[in-house]
Amino acid sequence: NAGVTQTPKFRVLKTGQSMTLLCAQDMNHEYMYWYRQDPGMGLRLIHYSVGEGTTAKGEVPDGYNVSRLKKQNFLLGLESAAPSQTSVYFCASSPRQGNTEAFFGQGTRLTVV
Amino acid sequence: EDQVTQSPEALRLQEGESSSLNCSYTVSGLRGLFWYRQDPGKGPEFLFTLYSAGEEKEKERLKATLTKKESFLHITAPKPEDSATYLCAVLTRTAGGTSYGKLTFGQGTILTVHP
Repeated sequence: NAGVTQTPKFRVLKTGQSMTLLCAQDMNHEYMYWYRQDPGMGLRLIHYSVGEGTTAKGEVPDGYNVSRLKKQNFLLGLESAAPSQTSVYFCASSPRQGNTEAFFGQGTRLTVV
Repeated sequence: EDQVTQSPEALRLQEGESSSLNCSYTVSGLRGLFWYRQDPGKGPEFLFTLYSAGEEKEKERLKATLTKKESFLHITAPKPEDSATYLCAVLTRTAGGTSYGKLTFGQGTILTVHP
């Protein structure tokens, strides 16, 4: 049972570089989320998707883009990385019914130097 | 704008000293409230889901309750292994209000239980 898988687990970027974080889920969930977590803080919602082909902005969307071309995948892109984007990124998914919890990936630790 | 506020930010207890964590929320259209536990370096681990005011859920030393404006996580006779960050989250309507699906977290309460 893979659940939610994030790729990569660790990455170091130079300021101005771009990258894409991949989130894949095998539970046929409609809802998918990207969060960032900084020291001493909870999870802040970056973008989310309520279904294939849909995306919506969360609390902290600036500097990030997302795509949900396939139901099982949710991609988070950084077009021009900045040191302020150094963080741990978590992906999560949950079913549409909303009567069960969201399942989380193991996290991606990103450092921008 | 949906807001979720947890208090206190940090709580230090002695083993066996019961206490409560608070999660207050101001949202439009609450579909559910969730409690998670997070250990350092790991993703959140699900604890409870609550759907309606008056609902209660229990698991070992933990009990979660829900009112129309807040939720409490009661910890009875805690042990050192209960030390973790406890997060609450609310599932609410999307920005357009056409469906549910937005999951917003509070900033968490860091619980430390000393032996």
